[in-house]
Amino acid sequence: GQQLNQSPQSMFIQEGEDVSMNCTSSSIFNTWLWYKQDPGEGPVLLIALYKAGELTSNGRLTAQFGITRKDSFLNISASIPSDVGIYFCAGRGGGSYIPTFGRGTSLIVHP
Amino acid sequence: DTGVSQDPRHKITKRGQNVTFRCDPISEHNRLYWYRQTLGQGPEFLTYFQNEAQLEKSRLLSDRFSAERPKGSFSTLEIQRTEQGDSAMYLCASSLGGGAVTGELFFGEGSRLTVL
Repeated sequence: GQQLNQSPQSMFIQEGEDVSMNCTSSSIFNTWLWYKQDPGEGPVLLIALYKAGELTSNGRLTAQFGITRKDSFLNISASIPSDVGIYFCAGRGGGSYIPTFGRGTSLIVHP
Repeated sequence: DTGVSQDPRHKITKRGQNVTFRCDPISEHNRLYWYRQTLGQGPEFLTYFQNEAQLEKSRLLSDRFSAERPKGSFSTLEIQRTEQGDSAMYLCASSLGGGAVTGELFFGEGSRLTVL
C-alpha cells in the first residue's frame, strides 16, 4: 500500500522563525492535502494541491506539490504561538480515492 | 454551524460492550469517510461511502465494526464487543466528489473512545 514519510517528527522553534516540513511517498500522488490538528480536535484543512509543481499560499503558510509527484512541502513563515499543533500531510493517488495520512509533525513555538 | 458534526465527543465503556458513533456530514457532500486515530499517529482509513453505498473498507475494519449510511446523509459506526485496543479517536470526514475528483476532506471534531 501507499506509505508516507513525514519529517521532521517534531520541531521546537522560537516565535518569529520560519518552519519547513515535508512528506515523501513511495508512490506517485495526484493530490496532496495539508492539515493542522489541535489536541482533542479533528484535523483542519490548510491547503490542497492538485498539480505537480503547484505552489499555493494560505496566509503565512505555503505548500508545494513536488515535481516528482512523490513529495510535498509546507512552510510557515514568521511563526506565532497559535501555530502550535500537529501538522499532517495526506496524499491520494494510485487509483485510490482515499487520502493516506503521514504520522504528523509536532510543532512547538516558544514565545 | 454547517461543518461535520460527530456525537458523542467522548465515550467511556467497559470491554465487551457495544458502542455507536454518529456523523452528520456537510449537507451537500456526497462522500463520507471514517478514520481512526491513535496517540502519536496520523488518521488511518476505515471505510468510505458515496451516497448510501459503502464503496471501500480497510482491512482494519474487523467483523466487529459496521458502518451504515442508510439515506446517504448521516452515518453510524458501530463497534460490537469492544476491546481495549479499540480505544482511539474516531474521525468522520466528508467531501464533494464525482468520478475521479475526490475533493477536499473536511473533518469533524472526532469521537474519543476509551475502553476499560
